[in-house]
Amino acid sequence: DGGITQSPKYLFRKEGQNVTLSCEQNLNHDAMYWYRQDPGQGLRLIYYSQIVNDFQKGDIAEGYSVSREKKESFPLTVTSAQKNPTAFYLCASSSRLAGGTDTQYFGPGTRLTVL
Amino acid sequence: SQQGEEDPQALSIQEGENATMNCSYKTSINNLQWYRQNSGRGLVHLILIRSNEREKHSGRLRVTLDTSKKSSSLLITASRAADTASYFCATDAKGNDYKLSFGAGTTVTVRA
Repeated sequence: DGGITQSPKYLFRKEGQNVTLSCEQNLNHDAMYWYRQDPGQGLRLIYYSQIVNDFQKGDIAEGYSVSREKKESFPLTVTSAQKNPTAFYLCASSSRLAGGTDTQYFGPGTRLTVL
Repeated sequence: SQQGEEDPQALSIQEGENATMNCSYKTSINNLQWYRQNSGRGLVHLILIRSNEREKHSGRLRVTLDTSKKSSSLLITASRAADTASYFCATDAKGNDYKLSFGAGTTVTVRA
């Protein structure tokens, strides 16, 4: 069964804590992405990685960190420096087309709530 | 940064009617994609149209692209209750390093 998985589905964090969201794909995709979605809004890019051991900041990287040690995995850490982390977090992966971005496949999301 | 903007923000139609939503963007693109999101779920890809294409069909979906006006439209024909969802356009801007920019979406409600 090919796909992209995220865990946990729901996550609660106390103020001042770091938490890590998991994202795994078995689609053999080179590129992986993390997005944040706030209620009634579109997706904003946090970080992305086009290849193992390399990643770039997106539009709202402050307060977040990532790693890409394996092709299949792209975990996101929400640090205590992120002032308003309550949101829905989506991970995606894609292959790379010549001259463009291919279809992105999304995981089911993690809903993070700060208590 | 969000390049695409969908219009309208929300749409309510009767089952069997057609639903049309539009997307406008600002810079030159390699391709434009449409995605659907059911409440509380991840996004599902619907269709990709390249910058040199003008129209594309997939089942009950029809997408048009007008690069001179920097706009695209998504038409869903003969809508069903299961089409109730949010629809997002995403642009792959030229020189944008394999990233997509998503709009804020159109929320479609199909009434039985």
